[in-house]
Order: sequence, then C-alpha cells, then structure tokens
Amino acid sequence: EPEVTQTPSHQVTQMGQEVILRCVPISNHLYFYWYRQILGQKVEFLVSFYNNEISEKSEIFDDQFSVERPDGSNFTLKIRSTKLEDSAMYFCASSARGRDQPQHFGDGTRLSIL
Amino acid sequence: GDSVTQMEGPVTLSEEAFLTINCTYTATGYPSLFWYVQYPGEGLQLLLKATKADDKGSNKGFEATYRKETTSFHLEKGSVQVSDSAVYFCALSSNFGNEKLTFGTGTRLTIIP
Repeated sequence: EPEVTQTPSHQVTQMGQEVILRCVPISNHLYFYWYRQILGQKVEFLVSFYNNEISEKSEIFDDQFSVERPDGSNFTLKIRSTKLEDSAMYFCASSARGRDQPQHFGDGTRLSIL
Repeated sequence: GDSVTQMEGPVTLSEEAFLTINCTYTATGYPSLFWYVQYPGEGLQLLLKATKADDKGSNKGFEATYRKETTSFHLEKGSVQVSDSAVYFCALSSNFGNEKLTFGTGTRLTIIP
C-alpha cells in the first residue's frame, strides 16, 4: 500500500538555525498538509497546499515558516530561524481529491531545538 | 470555530473488555468524522471514518456511528486485545472536502493481559 514518507525521522538543530523537513506524499494525491504535535499535546494544523499554493494556514504558520513543492514528488516545510518552542513532532499528510478522501500521514519528524 | 472534545485518558482495560472512547464535536454544516490511531513510535493511521449522519465506520473490530443529533462519534470495540494499546484521536474536517483536520486531544489506551 502506498505511504507517505518523511525524512529525517529525528532532527536536532541549534536555536536560530534553519531547518528543512522533507516529505514524499502518495504519488496520485493532490492535497498536502503539515501538522505538528508538541509533546503531550494535541495534533495541530499548520498549513495545507494545493495546486502549487497555500490553500489555508493556521496562526502558528507565521513568517518563519514556508512550504514548497520543488519537484513532482517532494513537499518540504522550512523553518527559517528556529525557536525552542518549535520543538515538536511534525507530520506530513496527503489526500486525494474528494470530500470522503481521508488524509494519509507519514511517521513524522521529531524536531529538537537546543 | 470547529472543535473536538475527547474523553480524557489514560484508559486502562483488561484484555477482552468492552471499550468506549467518547468524542463530541462542534462544527458548522456537515463535517466528515474520523478516528486515527497512533501506535508507539509510529505516525497517525486512519482507523475509520464517516462522512454523513447515521453512517457507521468500522475497521479491525472498531466501530463509530456519526450522530448528528448528539454531535457525537464515539469509538467502540466489543473485545479489546493487547495489540490495541495506542493513542486514539478523534478528528473532523469541514463539509467542503480536503480541508484541514481538527483533532481532539487524544486518548491513551493500555490493554493489560
């Protein structure tokens, strides 16, 4: 069964550094998402992406964050200048078109900011 | 805005016990409802879904019925196994399709032999 893959599984970065989290969505999916889960808290929506542009973003997704689909397969989340509070598990998801189409999640990247 | 309220955990049950995890929601229109499961060290996996009122989603012995009158989507299983130990998340997306998911806080379930 096709799956969403995320790399790396764990990223350790110094505060203030840039980090790029990578995702390969399921190949025929058109909608892409990033979520994060701070340890012990709920999963929170960050951004959705369709047709090469952001379709919705949360208030968490400020100017430090950006997303890109640089080629036909990858979907990346960049944090320009990381803060301690960016430490979390980041999940990528993708879905096919349609109201009844569920989102499929990757295993996540654990981001630790020192 | 949309919100999901989930039963507080953790929940500990003996093997073969009956499981209910409560989930209620607040949303405009007719959202789609989902249960996701997160096994230790893994990502979120779709467990089941329902897209309209009175629909019943089912998978791996788990069931949940979309109740619009009570705005609920409770997860049930008749006889749990040790392998069901995981964190369970109730979630909704709006009625327009392909929208963001709004998650509940998650319920950690532990099944003891």
